[in-house]
Amino acid sequence: EVQLVQSGTEVKKPGESLRISCETSGYTFNTYWINWVRQRPGKGLEWMGRIYPGDSDSTYSPSFQGRVTFSVDKSVTTAYLQWSSLEPSDTAMYFCAKRGHDSRYTMDVWGQGTTVTVSS
Amino acid sequence: QSALTQPPSASGSPGQSVTISCTGTTSDIGGYNYVSWYQQYPGKAPRLMIFDVTKRPSGVPDRFSGSKSGNTASLTVSGLQAEDEADYYCTSYAGTNNFAVFGGGTKLTVL
Repeated sequence: EVQLVQSGTEVKKPGESLRISCETSGYTFNTYWINWVRQRPGKGLEWMGRIYPGDSDSTYSPSFQGRVTFSVDKSVTTAYLQWSSLEPSDTAMYFCAKRGHDSRYTMDVWGQGTTVTVSS
Repeated sequence: QSALTQPPSASGSPGQSVTISCTGTTSDIGGYNYVSWYQQYPGKAPRLMIFDVTKRPSGVPDRFSGSKSGNTASLTVSGLQAEDEADYYCTSYAGTNNFAVFGGGTKLTVL
């Protein structure tokens, strides 16, 4: 069974750094893009970008370029989303989602989400 | 403002059919046959319901169907059931650097 399990809730102060994780299992990690999606409270879904675990090639949505960094650790089949300096506007739930098996243009399995709250 | 336009709400009675629209441009929906639809319950992760405009993943009831005409995609839910009450999001491929543009979401209410 394909599974993406994300790290737990985070409460941070503005200016702090943060890294959240997405641990995968049940498929060949190296060959499927991992996408990151943001959902602010009461709002819709926003695609942040994606990373190819095989070579760490990353694509960032223009809205998120320079604000976040994607990375992977192939030894533990885990993807990461990182901030160097959080802002209150980063308060949201963040989802990782695997590229589709039957179509490369969809996201077929999602993590359960990680809630990030940034407040002074 | 979302890249794709969805109605904020839709509703229907049990057993009825309801269609949710998703309007984009020639740069996304109109330019590719890569529209997906996701179902999301409050506080939960989205679930893939339709991909590549019309295809259903294994396990998705055949009550859910997708279509596209020009720059507008549609999700139809037939034989509405109480469990279909959720938020639905459309998304389209829009090029290498814009892998997924989302609609604003539609809250489906089963009356």
